[in-house]
Amino acid sequence: NAGVTQTPKFRVLKTGQSMTLLCAQDMNHEYMYWYRQDPGMGLRLIHYSVGEGTTAKGEVPDGYNVSRLKKQNFLLGLESAAPSQTSVYFCASSPTGSTDTQYFGPGTRLTVL
Amino acid sequence: DQQVKQNSPSLSVQEGRISILNCDYTNSMFDYFLWYKKYPAEGPTFLISISSIKDKNEDGRFTVFLNKSAKHLSLHIVPSQPGDSAVYFCAASAGAGGSGGYQKVTFGTGTKLQVIP
Repeated sequence: NAGVTQTPKFRVLKTGQSMTLLCAQDMNHEYMYWYRQDPGMGLRLIHYSVGEGTTAKGEVPDGYNVSRLKKQNFLLGLESAAPSQTSVYFCASSPTGSTDTQYFGPGTRLTVL
Repeated sequence: DQQVKQNSPSLSVQEGRISILNCDYTNSMFDYFLWYKKYPAEGPTFLISISSIKDKNEDGRFTVFLNKSAKHLSLHIVPSQPGDSAVYFCAASAGAGGSGGYQKVTFGTGTKLQVIP
């Protein structure tokens, strides 16, 4: 039981490049989330999903797209990376959507030059 | 506008003593509060929560106190252990969620606790 895994762990991009971050969970959770964490700020929600095939915008969705084609995977895409997207990205999943049952992945550190 | 504030970025405590981490909030709609713990290179893990109908919740060495009138909560760790060294995030929401939708959680910036052996 690996829990929540994120791929890759680190990535450096040039401005304008695209990439996809993969989140996978093996707990059969319905809810999945993508957060970003920036220095001096708390975690902020980018997008979330309440089930396979569904996605919704969070607090800071601009510049990102997501897909949940399979229940166990939640993909976060950056179509044209900008330096402002330099951050640590955390994925989380939850069986119920309640705030105290979110299981987080280890994070992806992304640098956009 | 930071609605959940952790004004102390770091805290050092001797092993065996009490650690007190503080958190202030400004949004009166918040009625459910959580603490998460984060080790380096790992994601946050849920530690303890409290509903606004309570003023205290205890789980082993961890106790969270809520002062609604002051919009303040604190996490007490007694006794502190070296393994407690981590970043602690305070978080708040208007409701606990879990009814089929998403309950927005607002996180603080974190306090790095160092427990000195």
